[in-house]
Amino acid sequence: DQQVKQNSPSLSVQEGRISILNCDYTNSMFDYFLWYKKYPAEGPTFLISISSIKDKNEDGRFTVFLNKSAKHLSLHIVPSQPGDSAVYFCAASESNFGNEKLTFGTGTRLTIIP
Amino acid sequence: GAVVSQHPSRVICKSGTSVKIECRSLDFQATTMFWYRQFPKQSLMLMATSNEGSKATYEQGVEKDKFLINHASLTLSTLTVTSAHPEDSSFYICSASGRDTDTQYFGPGTRLTVL
Repeated sequence: DQQVKQNSPSLSVQEGRISILNCDYTNSMFDYFLWYKKYPAEGPTFLISISSIKDKNEDGRFTVFLNKSAKHLSLHIVPSQPGDSAVYFCAASESNFGNEKLTFGTGTRLTIIP
Repeated sequence: GAVVSQHPSRVICKSGTSVKIECRSLDFQATTMFWYRQFPKQSLMLMATSNEGSKATYEQGVEKDKFLINHASLTLSTLTVTSAHPEDSSFYICSASGRDTDTQYFGPGTRLTVL
C-alpha cells in the first residue's frame, strides 16, 4: 500500500525553465511534508518542507505547494539548473517532530537539459 | 548543518556471513535513528526506528532476528545483517534526529552485495 505516490518516474526540463514535481498521498494523518534530493549511491539531502497548516513555503529557487483537500503537493524549481539533475523524493510524516518516521514516495528522476 | 556518517560505504560478503553497518551522528546527539533500505529504482523503505538505550521498533515484514539494531549511545547505531543472503543485497541508509534537529539527517548509505 503506497501511501505516498510520485506518478512521474522521470522528468526532463530545459535549463532556465521551471521544473514541477508532483506528489500525492492517501493517509489523512500526514501532517508534515518534505522534499529530498538524492544522487546515486548517496543519502537523501533535505530540500524543503511544509506543514499542513500552510499552503506554500518558499526557499530561494524552491517552492513547495500543498493542497490538503486534494492530498497533493508539488515542488517548483525555478530557474532550473544542471546541478538540479537528481532523483527527488517526496516524504510525509504525522508530525513535524524530527523523531517521527517518514514515508517516502518512489521518486522522480529530474534531468535538466543544458 | 547536522552530519551523519556511515561505515562502510560498500561491502561485499559471502552468503551466510554477517555484516555490521555503523551509523554515526558527528555533530549532534541522535536520540532517534532510523534504518532504511532501498532497492534499485524503488523508494526508501523504513526498516526500523531506534531510540537511544531502548529496543528498536521494526516495521511490518522486517525480521528483527535477521536485522539486529543496536543504538547504544547518542552518536552511534549499528545494523547487523545476520546470515546474509543474495536477496539482502541492497542500499542501506540510516538517518538520525535529535532534540536540536528539526528533521532527519541522512547518512551517505552502504551498498551491500551478498554473493
